[in-house]
Amino acid sequence: GAGVSQSPRYKVAKRGQDVALRCDPISGHVSLFWYQQALGQGPEFLTYFQNEAQLDKSGLPSDRFFAERPEGSVSTLKIQRTQQEDSAVYLCASSRRANTEAFFGQGTRLTVV
Amino acid sequence: GNSVTQMEGPVTLSEEAFLTINCTYTATGYPSLFWYVQYPGEGLQLLLKATKADDKGSNKGFEATYRKETTSFHLEKGSVQVSDSAVYFCALSDPAQKVTFGIGTKLQVIP
Repeated sequence: GAGVSQSPRYKVAKRGQDVALRCDPISGHVSLFWYQQALGQGPEFLTYFQNEAQLDKSGLPSDRFFAERPEGSVSTLKIQRTQQEDSAVYLCASSRRANTEAFFGQGTRLTVV
Repeated sequence: GNSVTQMEGPVTLSEEAFLTINCTYTATGYPSLFWYVQYPGEGLQLLLKATKADDKGSNKGFEATYRKETTSFHLEKGSVQVSDSAVYFCALSDPAQKVTFGIGTKLQVIP
């Protein structure tokens, strides 16, 4: 596609619900990243994929967070039993290969009430 | 670990004023350095980058020079416009691809 596409753009979840956030990277991009951006803060790294392999998940804040990219293209970030502190914008980025420019999607704004 | 420190905003300037947004970093090895911009209602966009010491990145009138001796990558523009109003993020990328961002500096340019 023309750019990185994320869906939904906005999600309101009740505390305790599970949510799934989708990222469609630019076609052919090998690397895919997830970031969490709290209000008034810079994006914080969550996890990184190279093709279908999750090479770094050191930024996932708890075991309630899970990300996958089973076919090396679309990725899903799942948050189980959401809590209020999970409220943030979740950004996805992709790059053609290592050490090249990363392109960001517009993000999914998650609000947990 | 890696970290990026940038001046907190908001920064309010009149049109055609000179802009400097300070950024310093801490990193092991030789990171690549970036400035990203986020316009209202839009996603993050790469503004400019520098991959080694003394490199100057430039785009849309903005410039930043990779200063290894002072571990800095300050963003400058000689004459800002209202359309430059946005949030600017300084960032670095380590060889493992992880990008570390600063907290962002909001710039507001008034006519």
